[in-house]
Parts: sequence; structure tokens; C-alpha cells
Amino acid sequence: NAGVTQTPKFQVLKTGQSMTLQCAQDMNHNSMYWYRQDPGMGLRLIYYSASEGTTDKGEVPNGYNVSRLNKREFSLRLESAAPSQTSVYFCASSEWLAETQYFGPGTRLLVL
Amino acid sequence: LAKTTQPISMDSYEGQEVNITCSHNNIATNDYITWYQQFPSQGPRFIIQGYKTKVTNEVASLFIPADRKSSTLSLPRVSLSDTAVYYCLVGDRSAGTSGTYKYIFGTGTRLKVLA
Repeated sequence: NAGVTQTPKFQVLKTGQSMTLQCAQDMNHNSMYWYRQDPGMGLRLIYYSASEGTTDKGEVPNGYNVSRLNKREFSLRLESAAPSQTSVYFCASSEWLAETQYFGPGTRLLVL
Repeated sequence: LAKTTQPISMDSYEGQEVNITCSHNNIATNDYITWYQQFPSQGPRFIIQGYKTKVTNEVASLFIPADRKSSTLSLPRVSLSDTAVYYCLVGDRSAGTSGTYKYIFGTGTRLKVLA
């Protein structure tokens, strides 16, 4: 049981480049989440998916898009990366919306 | 949306009991209180959750007074490995797969355990 996995672990982008962060969970959870965490700060919710086929905006959705590919996978896309998107990105899942969340190891993104 | 207020940081010594209080004055009837722990370079990890009175597990205790406007996470006999950031969240657990996700992590309490 791997729990929540994220790829890549680390990425460097140039301003304007695009990329997709991948997240998968093997706990058969219905709900999934994407957060960002800036240095010394708490987590801010970017998008969430209450169940397969649904996605909703969180606190800071601008500059991001998401896809709930299936029940296991929830990807986060940066269409045109900006230095302000330099952060650590965490994916999480829970059995139902707002139940206990299980987090992945994070993806460290540096945008130059 | 219930806003939470926690101390920014706390220091303690090994072997002491640590109590971290979270204020949530506008908690709603259906809201639960959840605490997470985050070590550096890792994602948060669930510690404990409660609705009222007292909840205890192998890691911590959670005390919630009758008015539920605050809660206290109690860590017994802390060790150096308990140095982490602790987040208090308040939100409605009954949303199922519909409704709006209402949990906000905030900046948490940075606990430093000293030898």
C-alpha cells in the first residue's frame, strides 16, 4: 500500500513553461485535494475533487487547472508557470470530503 | 467558515506535557475539530479529531469545552521528535461527496522541543 504518491519530486521550470504534477492514491478514496505551501507558511488549497468527475476551486486556483482522471488519479497543471508559483505542492486524499486527509510527499517546484 | 487562531510558536523541553490551544469562536453545529502534524519537508499527518468533551488516542488528547469555541491539543511527555508544526482545522465532516469543502489549514503552531 503506497498511500498517496506524487511525481515528480522536484522540478525546475522557466517562466512561461507548462507542466503537469501527477498524484495517485491506492486507498480507494473518493475525495482528492491539491495544496501549495510557501516557505514558512501554512497550506493553501488550490483545487479539490469531492468525487470522481467533479472538481472545485479552493482558495488560490488562479494559474492552475486540474483533472480528475479516474478515482485514483488527480493531476494539477500549470499552463504558463510564473515565479510566484514557486512552492511545494502537496496532494491529499480522503475517503469522503473533509474526512481525515492522507498526504503525499510533495513536489518541490522552482520557477525561474 | 470557522476561522481558527493558534499561537505562532511554542518551546518546550523533553519530557514535558505540551498544550496547544486553538480558538474557533464561530464554530458551527456540524463542525468537527481536527489536528494535523507536519514535519519539515513532509506532508501533514492526522493526529486526532473530536466533536466535544475529550478524545484520546495513542499519540495525543483533545479537550473541547462545552461551548466548543476553543480546543486544546495535549501532547504528553514530548520528545525531540515532536518538533513540528501543528495545525488546527474546523469544518463540516458531513459533506460526503457534495457540498463545499470548508477546511482551512492556516499557519499552524511551530513547536520546538528542546533537550
